[in-house]
Amino acid sequence: NAGVTQTPKFQVLKTGQSMTLQCAQDMNHEYMSWYRQDPGMGLRLIHYSVGAGITDQGEVPNGYNVSRSTTEDFPLRLLSAAPSQTSVYFCASSYTKGGGYTFGSGTRLTVV
Amino acid sequence: GNSVTQMEGPVTLSEEAFLTINCTYTATGYPSLFWYVQYPGEGLQLLLKATKADDKGSNKGFEATYRKETTSFHLEKGSVQVSDSAVYFCALSDGGNTPLVFGKGTRLSVIA
Repeated sequence: NAGVTQTPKFQVLKTGQSMTLQCAQDMNHEYMSWYRQDPGMGLRLIHYSVGAGITDQGEVPNGYNVSRSTTEDFPLRLLSAAPSQTSVYFCASSYTKGGGYTFGSGTRLTVV
Repeated sequence: GNSVTQMEGPVTLSEEAFLTINCTYTATGYPSLFWYVQYPGEGLQLLLKATKADDKGSNKGFEATYRKETTSFHLEKGSVQVSDSAVYFCALSDGGNTPLVFGKGTRLSVIA
C-alpha cells in the first residue's frame, strides 16, 4: 500500500516552461487536493477534487490547472512557470469530506 | 471564511519540558479539528484529531481538547523529546467539500 505518491521529488524549471506534477493514490479516496507550502505562509490550497471529473479552485489557483480523469490520479499542471511558483507542493487525499487527509512526500520546485 | 491561527514560532525547549502550542479557529458550524506534524524533508502526518466539542484527541503523548467556548484546540505534551523536533500545523474541516484549512505552522526545536 503506497498511499499518496508524488513525482518528481525535485524539479528545476526555467521561467516560461511548462510541466506536470504527478499525484497518485491507491486508497480509493474520492477527495484529493493540492497545496503549496511557502516559508511563513503555511499550506495554501491550490485546487481540489471531490471525485473523478469534478475539480474546483482553492485559495491560490492562478497559473495552475488540474484535471481528474480517474479516482487514482490528480495531476497539477504549470502552464508557464514563474519564479513566484517556486515552492514545495503537496498532494493529499481523503476518504471522507471531513476526515483526515493523507499527504504525499512533496515536490520541491524551483523556477529560475 | 474559515481560518486557523497558531502561535508563532520558533519554539525552543529543553528535553523533558512541557509543550503547549496554541491554536484558535474561526468557522461556521461545528468543524473537525486536526493537528499535523511535519518532520524535516517529509510530508505532513496526521497527529491527532477531534470531531466535536469537548473531545480530546491524543497520540504519541500529545493531546488536544476541542474547546468550542474558546474556539481553541491547543496542543500539549508533558515531556518533549529531541525526536519531537518538527513543524506542527493546526487545521480544520467544516465538513463541506473544501479540504483542510491550515494554520501557518509552528516550528519546535527540542535540545538535549
